[in-house]
Amino acid sequence: AQSVTQPDIHITVSEGASLELRCNYSYGATPYLFWYVQSPGQGLQLLLKYFSGDTLVQGIKGFEAEFKRSQSSFNLRKPSVHWSDAAEYFCAVGAWGSQGNLIFGKGTKLSVKP
Amino acid sequence: GAVVSQHPSWVICKSGTSVKIECRSLDFQATTMFWYRQFPKQSLMLMATSNEGSKATYEQGVEKDKFLINHASLTLSTLTVTSAHPEDSSFYICSARDPLGPRQETQYFGPGTRLLVL
Repeated sequence: AQSVTQPDIHITVSEGASLELRCNYSYGATPYLFWYVQSPGQGLQLLLKYFSGDTLVQGIKGFEAEFKRSQSSFNLRKPSVHWSDAAEYFCAVGAWGSQGNLIFGKGTKLSVKP
Repeated sequence: GAVVSQHPSWVICKSGTSVKIECRSLDFQATTMFWYRQFPKQSLMLMATSNEGSKATYEQGVEKDKFLINHASLTLSTLTVTSAHPEDSSFYICSARDPLGPRQETQYFGPGTRLLVL
């Protein structure tokens, strides 16, 4: 069955520290992948996306993610976290040739300590 | 570019009434829109896929007669929660794909509508 796993429900990091949010997927077809961020009571903002090509993708707000096919992973990273990065982060996977349906992970809540 | 709006952002209604939520693509034409539901502290669950000019495709377990979806134009899709009950209280989020954009598979999300049924 198709699934997306974000193993960490809640992560707390200190401001200025590095961050890595994990995402693993199980998908029969060749996937394309997204990371979205959601602030409380808000919709989702696209951080970055991977379709093909270079497996290291750059996004907005200094985020990057690396697609590793052998590990079925698409982890999100940021070298130095800012207090404004505190939010919920969702990994999502889609399949080529589908209607565009996305499967979302359960999300990782990021808290930032001053 | 690729902005999606939703209206209203908040709605409180009495049990048994119907509520309509609008989803608009502001700067592009969206042949496909998606409706999601999100419970507190949970992920997004796809309810239905809305294609302009045709019937929506509902996910398993979603009642078609309760959640009416209309995608009458390339920039507007509506979700009507009919005879709403307290268990329908949730955060409803729409998204849209830009078929002419550089990556048509990308979904752009609206800000969401919080529904509270009393």
